[in-house]
Amino acid sequence: TQTVSQSDAHVTVFEGDSVELRCNYSYGGSIYLSWYIQHHGRGLQFLLKYYSGNPVVQGVNGFEAEFSKSDSSFHLRKASVHWSDSAVYFCAVRDYTGGADRLTFGKGTQLIIQP
Amino acid sequence: DAGVTQTPRHEVAEKGQTIILKCEPVSGHNDLFWYRQTKIQGLELLSYFRSKSLMEDGGAFKDRFKAEMLNSSFSTLKIQPTEPKDSAVYLCASSLDPLNTEVFFGKGTRLTVV
Repeated sequence: TQTVSQSDAHVTVFEGDSVELRCNYSYGGSIYLSWYIQHHGRGLQFLLKYYSGNPVVQGVNGFEAEFSKSDSSFHLRKASVHWSDSAVYFCAVRDYTGGADRLTFGKGTQLIIQP
Repeated sequence: DAGVTQTPRHEVAEKGQTIILKCEPVSGHNDLFWYRQTKIQGLELLSYFRSKSLMEDGGAFKDRFKAEMLNSSFSTLKIQPTEPKDSAVYLCASSLDPLNTEVFFGKGTRLTVV
């Protein structure tokens, strides 16, 4: 079974702290990895994506993510969080293996920023 | 340029009713997705269309859920008959093509079945 796993349901940090949100996947073949953010009461918004090349990709608002094939991971990081980063973050895998095309999301990690 | 538009934003239905949710994708996008979002299950794929052709029908959701894409700029999701366990947020999303992984989401329709 192909899965996307976000091990932390909630992460709490103080404003100005760095943060890492974890994502692990179990897919083979051709995949795209991406992260989305969902503020309360709103739809998901794209943050960044990775397919090939430099394993560290930059996104909007200072977010970056690093792909690791050996760890099957695509963790999201930010050096200094702002209160407006409080939201739920979803890791997603788009799988093109074997002619299929499936976009699967993890269950999300809620990032809570304390003042 | 308009994003993905979903209507209505809120829907309350009685058990057994038929409801139809509507979605207009981003103009020019060829891929359209319907997801159900709950706190427990997260985002579950209901349907996926590519250039109006149904590519994924969400397996377990087949019996009471039917998505259609009447033209490239309009899709509906019919739930018939509704059950209380269908209470959730239904999200519609679109992307330009299969190789473009930036997917644009609508704000969702919150469905409550009583």
